[in-house]
Amino acid sequence: GPKVLQIPSHQIIDMGQMVTLNCDPVSNHLYFYWYKQILGQQMEFLVNFYNGKVMEKSKLFKDQFSVERPDGSYFTLKIQPTALEDSAVYFCASSLRLGVEQYFGPGTRLTVL
Amino acid sequence: GDSVTQKEGLVTLTEGLPVMLNCTYQTIYSNAFLFWYVHYLNESPRLLLKSSTDNKRTEHQGFHATLHKSSSSFHLQKSSAQLSDSALYYCAPAHTGNYKYVFGAGTRLKVIA
Repeated sequence: GPKVLQIPSHQIIDMGQMVTLNCDPVSNHLYFYWYKQILGQQMEFLVNFYNGKVMEKSKLFKDQFSVERPDGSYFTLKIQPTALEDSAVYFCASSLRLGVEQYFGPGTRLTVL
Repeated sequence: GDSVTQKEGLVTLTEGLPVMLNCTYQTIYSNAFLFWYVHYLNESPRLLLKSSTDNKRTEHQGFHATLHKSSSSFHLQKSSAQLSDSALYYCAPAHTGNYKYVFGAGTRLKVIA
């Protein structure tokens, strides 16, 4: 089936530095999402991005977070600056439209030291 | 907003026994879809099954669920657990008018020999 790719699979970074997580969504999908999963906890919605805009974000989507997808390239999540509590696995997902199946990537494990 | 309750955090079963994972939900959307996603270790979360039709059983890969709008439930069942069913299972509602996806806390199913 359709695949969502995430690069890198692991990232270790010092607190205060900037990090960019990359997602290659399913090619014809229009809606893009990021989720955060802290070790041992549930996967939680961060943001929904459509047509170049953030359509919905959760309280977890702090001011230090930003998303973009310039010219149909990677859908990115940037954290600047990073904090210890940002350590988690970040999952990217995409869907053709709202209310339908989302396709997930394998996740990027971010460790902030 | 939407909410989901998966009351069992961990379900441990002996192979061959029936599986039932509970999901109850709240949504303002009367025609919302309900999804079950399965997340195997070191893989991407993926759709297991979905439904928006009241009182109709939906089946996939040996699992089944019936959406009951009267009780806001969408419990996942399987007649006989297999070792390979060990995974994290998420229940989630979705609707064409809702940009935010809310996943339940997830139920970890552990099947033992």
